[in-house]
Amino acid sequence: AQKVTQAQTEISVVEKEDVTLDCVYETRDTTYYLFWYKQPPSGELVFLIRRNSFDEQNEISGRYSWNFQKSTSSFNFTITASQVVDSAVYFCALPSYNTDKLIFGTGTRLQVFP
Amino acid sequence: GAGVSQSPSNKVTEKGKDVELRCDPISGHTALYWYRQSLGQGLEFLIYFQGNSAPDKSGLPSDRFSAERTGGSVSTLTIQRTQQEDSAVYLCASSVAPTGNYGYTFGSGTRLTVV
Repeated sequence: AQKVTQAQTEISVVEKEDVTLDCVYETRDTTYYLFWYKQPPSGELVFLIRRNSFDEQNEISGRYSWNFQKSTSSFNFTITASQVVDSAVYFCALPSYNTDKLIFGTGTRLQVFP
Repeated sequence: GAGVSQSPSNKVTEKGKDVELRCDPISGHTALYWYRQSLGQGLEFLIYFQGNSAPDKSGLPSDRFSAERTGGSVSTLTIQRTQQEDSAVYLCASSVAPTGNYGYTFGSGTRLTVV
C-alpha cells in the first residue's frame, strides 16, 4: 500500500543553519511522482516541488534542494541558510496506488528562531 | 477564478447544528478534493470529485458527512448534527485531472469550531 512517513514531528533551528526534512515512502507503482508542500502559519498549503521517479538527479531551487534516492525510497528536503520565514509545517506526498488522490505524510513542523 | 476559494474562512457552530462549507475550484479543474486537518495533525482525505461524480468517498468519517458538486464547479461539504470532534480545518483542493500525479492547488481552508 502507499505510505508516506515523516518521522520528524518537529525541528527547531537557529537562523542561518541548514536543515533537512526527511521523507520515506512506500509504493506499489514502478513510476510515480513525489511532492512537497509548505503550510505556513496562515494555513494555506503551498506547492513546492513535484518529482518524477525517473529522474534521480538532485534538484536545487535557491536555498531549497531535494535529494531523491529510489534505492532507499527517500525524498529528503534541505533548506540551506534557514530564515525565520521558513517556519512552517512541511508535508511530503505521494499519489495513491490508483493515482486518484494524494497521500500525505503527517508533516514536520519547522521552527526557525532568529 | 485565479485560485481555489473557500467560504466561510471561519465558522463557529453549536453542537447539533448543521453546517455547509463551500469550495470554488480553479476554473477548468475537473478534479476537486476535500481534506480535513485536525489541530496539529496531518491531512485526512475525505472525498474527491471528477466532474459532478464522487468516485471515492472512502474518507467520509460518518453518514453525517456528505458532499456534492454541481456544474463541475462549486462543491459543498455538509456536516449534519455537528459534534465537537468535527472541529478542524477543512481544506479543498482542485487539480486539472483526477490523478494525484499533477498535484493540487489548495484553498485557504475553513476553520470549523463546534462548541
